[in-house]
Amino acid sequence: QVQLQQSGPGLLKPSQTLSLTCAISGDSVSSNSAAWNWIRQSPTRGLEWLGRTYYMSKWYNDYAISVKSRITINPDTSRNQFSLQLTSVTPEDTAVYYCARQHTSCYIDWGQGTLVTVSS
Amino acid sequence: DIQMTQSPSSLSASVGDRVTITCRASQSITNYLNWYQQRPGKAPKLLIYAASTLQSGVPSRFSGSGSGTDFTLSISSLQPEDFATYYCQQSYSTPFTFGPGTKVDIK
Repeated sequence: QVQLQQSGPGLLKPSQTLSLTCAISGDSVSSNSAAWNWIRQSPTRGLEWLGRTYYMSKWYNDYAISVKSRITINPDTSRNQFSLQLTSVTPEDTAVYYCARQHTSCYIDWGQGTLVTVSS
Repeated sequence: DIQMTQSPSSLSASVGDRVTITCRASQSITNYLNWYQQRPGKAPKLLIYAASTLQSGVPSRFSGSGSGTDFTLSISSLQPEDFATYYCQQSYSTPFTFGPGTKVDIK
């Protein structure tokens, strides 16, 4: 059974960088059959996919256009985890952030969620 | 991006009722449609994938149908643990987008 455990701060000031980590158990971040995603949820934007990283002979990343200039998702094979960095946050980035394992075209396993609040 | 809509946005029902939720895509997505259930304070949980295939461990009272642009999620006999918000999600093309959700609460 795959489990995803999120960690990272929940309170940021505008212009700071959001950094979250998702530790994986029961699968490998280097799996050829999974992609590792970050998704956020807010009352105004609903469930919004932010990006993913996956390994298929080499590492790939896909990012949502809305955050493409500010986002980085990195795998960490030594710790079997992946991370999200979102720079220059504003109050509009306030949301619950989830990591999720994608298998084929479904988000099968999710982290517990992290409420990130951006406020001065 | 493919836009997903759901109706109704909320509904009230009683235990034992049959409930149907509709999801519509802005273009054809063949059968690349998934359904999730989200209880308050929890992450979404995959219920149905490929429009009609039940995820392992999901009770058989849940069913899905549809293809192209129109899809439905049905719950044959609502149970207390089914009061939650339900989301559809298309996986036809990236970015995979979600519907706005349908909240099912107790009448």
